[in-house]
Amino acid sequence: DIVMTQSPDSLAVSLGERATINCKSSQSVLYSSNNKNYLGWYQQKPGQPPKLLISWASTRESGVPDRFSGSGSGTDFTLTISSLQAEDVAVYYCHQYYNNPRTFGQGTKVEIK
Amino acid sequence: EVQLVQSGAEVKKPGESLKISCKASGYTFTNYWIGWVRQMPGKGLEWMGIVNPRDSDTRYSPSLEGQVTVSADKSITTAYLQWSSLKASDSGMYYCERQRDGGIIDSWGQGTLVTVSS
Repeated sequence: DIVMTQSPDSLAVSLGERATINCKSSQSVLYSSNNKNYLGWYQQKPGQPPKLLISWASTRESGVPDRFSGSGSGTDFTLTISSLQAEDVAVYYCHQYYNNPRTFGQGTKVEIK
Repeated sequence: EVQLVQSGAEVKKPGESLKISCKASGYTFTNYWIGWVRQMPGKGLEWMGIVNPRDSDTRYSPSLEGQVTVSADKSITTAYLQWSSLKASDSGMYYCERQRDGGIIDSWGQGTLVTVSS
């Protein structure tokens, strides 16, 4: 199984400041034949199912604010919230869909400082 | 609009069987794999398994294979997750999910809370 490790487990950021979440996979999730990273990011608010924010490591879903961005390749990835808003308080998960079993990071809780 | 509507909360005793459902609408059911993710109370997300509604091909997480069964009925665009003998450790929230081209999970059901207690 590919192990996904996120850091930090939680972070508190002031409104309007940048939040950065890291995700490391135990093996590469870059598929060489199409040069795509099989890595997604999800946001989960209390009492709700997860919501897809980013696929292919850096492709923002339709309707997702542009303050959310993803970067990285191979085994190291980052989700950045450029200017934290109150509605961004949530737990964020990275997810590899490179192979089965699909796996998720343990989650990073983002709060307001 | 893609919608995945799950069956309601369940309270069961250890050893009982259970089948929960996920009704899909808003897209061609047989064109997308559909699966299940569990979330234990206060914990993270764990992928359980998926089924191809077109031919009922299935894939399971090795840690769960043999403990649950994932299936789909394309005639009523519904996916299922079932247990033959529940344990207390099966208590948690279960989400159905749809995987689009490439395998990313792009849609989720609202969740079904399963409580197993004597």
